[in-house]
Amino acid sequence: QKEVEQNSGPLSVPEGAIASLNCTYSDRGSQSFFWYRQYSGKSPELIMSIYSNGDKEDGRFTAQLNKASQYVSLLIRDSQPSDSATYLCAVTPSYNFNKFYFGSGTKLNVKP
Amino acid sequence: DAMVIQNPRYQVTQFGKPVTLSCSQTLNHNVMYWYQQKSSQAPKLLFHYYDKDFNNEADTPDNFQSRRPNTSFCFLDIRSPGLGDAAMYLCATSRDREDGYTFGSGTRLTVV
Repeated sequence: QKEVEQNSGPLSVPEGAIASLNCTYSDRGSQSFFWYRQYSGKSPELIMSIYSNGDKEDGRFTAQLNKASQYVSLLIRDSQPSDSATYLCAVTPSYNFNKFYFGSGTKLNVKP
Repeated sequence: DAMVIQNPRYQVTQFGKPVTLSCSQTLNHNVMYWYQQKSSQAPKLLFHYYDKDFNNEADTPDNFQSRRPNTSFCFLDIRSPGLGDAAMYLCATSRDREDGYTFGSGTRLTVV
């Protein structure tokens, strides 16, 4: 069983729409959750971190965490073509908080 | 600017010829990581250093070794590269789990 699972996509949304990206994880004791954006051929860059149940907003991005359901999501409001990238979910395992496991990512296409 | 620097950006090596990838950081982060990422796959953790303590992933092949001579530098040694080792190698650092990772720009390794 993979520790972190994401739908590979691609997810296509029109410019200006809300993009919703989802991630599930298997370790119920995980405490820290991150979303990274990765453009083709580039390294991942951190977008959001979330540690508590509920929503966390930063500009056009909202991360949502539900530990009971082992589910974390990322909403991108007013999607722009520049948001087209692969979005990686990362989770810390309960047995070692100093490392993260990544999902394989969801490819997002924002159409002008 | 404080950052994580990987050299070289592109590395071509011959099948079976040892190769070393380097990573340096000016962030003074105590944790450094090496990830391997193949096309359209999740970054896969190879090992990490918490200060001088080396932590190997159970499924990291013996062909991969690492050195961290001081806080700023970390090296990835591939003793006998095979065609299957062609990938992007990502170095990352963190201060603690609250911060998420800072990634270098990666080294794309080609094995011929």
